[in-house]
Amino acid sequence: LAKTTQPISMDSYEGQEVNITCSHNNIATNDYITWYQQFPSQGPRFIIQGYKTKVTNEVASLFIPADRKSSTLSLPRVSLSDTAVYYCLVGDPPYSGGGADGLTFGKGTHLIIQP
Amino acid sequence: DADVTQTPRNRITKTGKRIMLECSQTKGHDRMYWYRQDPGLGLRLIYYSFDVKDINKGEISDGYSVSRQAQAKFSLSLESAIPNQTALYFCATSDLPGFYGYTFGSGTRLTVV
Repeated sequence: LAKTTQPISMDSYEGQEVNITCSHNNIATNDYITWYQQFPSQGPRFIIQGYKTKVTNEVASLFIPADRKSSTLSLPRVSLSDTAVYYCLVGDPPYSGGGADGLTFGKGTHLIIQP
Repeated sequence: DADVTQTPRNRITKTGKRIMLECSQTKGHDRMYWYRQDPGLGLRLIYYSFDVKDINKGEISDGYSVSRQAQAKFSLSLESAIPNQTALYFCATSDLPGFYGYTFGSGTRLTVV
């Protein structure tokens, strides 16, 4: 599985747009990029997934450049409730003939939103 | 009711005791997983199962065993608990191939004294 690197922590303020970048230099052709959010004492929650270019849903946007060696999770107009740990994961979905199942979660980015 | 239910939510046990953590799901997913989370270490995969006849080891399976009793039930056992197995344990499910998003339970906080 491709290794990912993301900042350990970030701070921002309510109402701001927050961008969290993840590096995955050795991403493979079949790998997808997935982001999860985790609140204290809760399981991670799926946010968004993409393969290339831009993906947007009601929660966030995911920007992936052409070389796919990095990705950026964008959270528009954050609130205090967005304070959480955000994980970037890269893996080969089973339908692409990937190997071992089960995504690897790194240490994530601890995002702190202040008033 | 939660899609993925873990029991117990909290457990304190003594070294050497056998303990079972249970997970049940109403998502109808075939794939189920057990993860362990330690402070500062992210989540690490213990075991996973693609269906009731399929069990696979993850990266940290030593000291653990699992049982897939039905599509909806996946149990994790610690045959002889030790203090370094103190952690937060999560069960997760996943859809059929084509969607790589997991649904996690609320976790079981296990303390081995």
